[in-house]
Amino acid sequence: KQEVTQIPAALSVPEGENLVLNCSFTDSAIYNLQWFRQDPGKGLTSLLLIQSSQREQTSGRLNASLDKSSGRSTLYIAASQPGDSATYLCAVSRDYKLSFGAGTTVTVRA
Amino acid sequence: NAGVTQTPKFRVLKTGQSMTLLCAQDMNHEYMYWYRQDPGMGLRLIHYSVGEGTTAKGEVPDGYNVSRLKKQNFLLGLESAAPSQTSVYFCASSKQDSPFTDTQYFGPGTRLTVL
Repeated sequence: KQEVTQIPAALSVPEGENLVLNCSFTDSAIYNLQWFRQDPGKGLTSLLLIQSSQREQTSGRLNASLDKSSGRSTLYIAASQPGDSATYLCAVSRDYKLSFGAGTTVTVRA
Repeated sequence: NAGVTQTPKFRVLKTGQSMTLLCAQDMNHEYMYWYRQDPGMGLRLIHYSVGEGTTAKGEVPDGYNVSRLKKQNFLLGLESAAPSQTSVYFCASSKQDSPFTDTQYFGPGTRLTVL
């Protein structure tokens, strides 16, 4: 059974600092790894998808890396802003089904 | 284009009552999913459907039933609600692209409380 772990569970940083969020998974037989953002009381929004053959993906201030052999992914958010405050979830995909971590709740202080 | 919508947004039930949650998507997606999200835990898959008329069990299916009579709708039923089913329920859909690039689109969630 795939286990996905996200550390830390919560993070508080001053505006402008870079964010580093970690995700680990136990079964490397995945098709892709995805990072989602969840705002309070809202659904999930896809941020980045890294295919199993890729090492990283970038979108604006966001960069995600994937090391499938060691079962790790890291999401970097550069120059954080108060609007980045949310919960970030990672999920690994196999056979069109996702296994999720519990998320990291980020607070960016102005 | 509304994406994925869920009805209702909030609901309070008494133990033993039944209810149905409705999910609708207007993206012509083949796959649809129901998840539950509990504090401190990731989303867990309840049931899913790979096409109209098909359903399959996910990780935590006990106490729930589903139906997919139309491609755009996926219903989640609770026949006899229990306090352990207090949770936030999310519906999602996906196009069934290549498994390497396929992603899911989520609804806004239904917050269910069972007293």
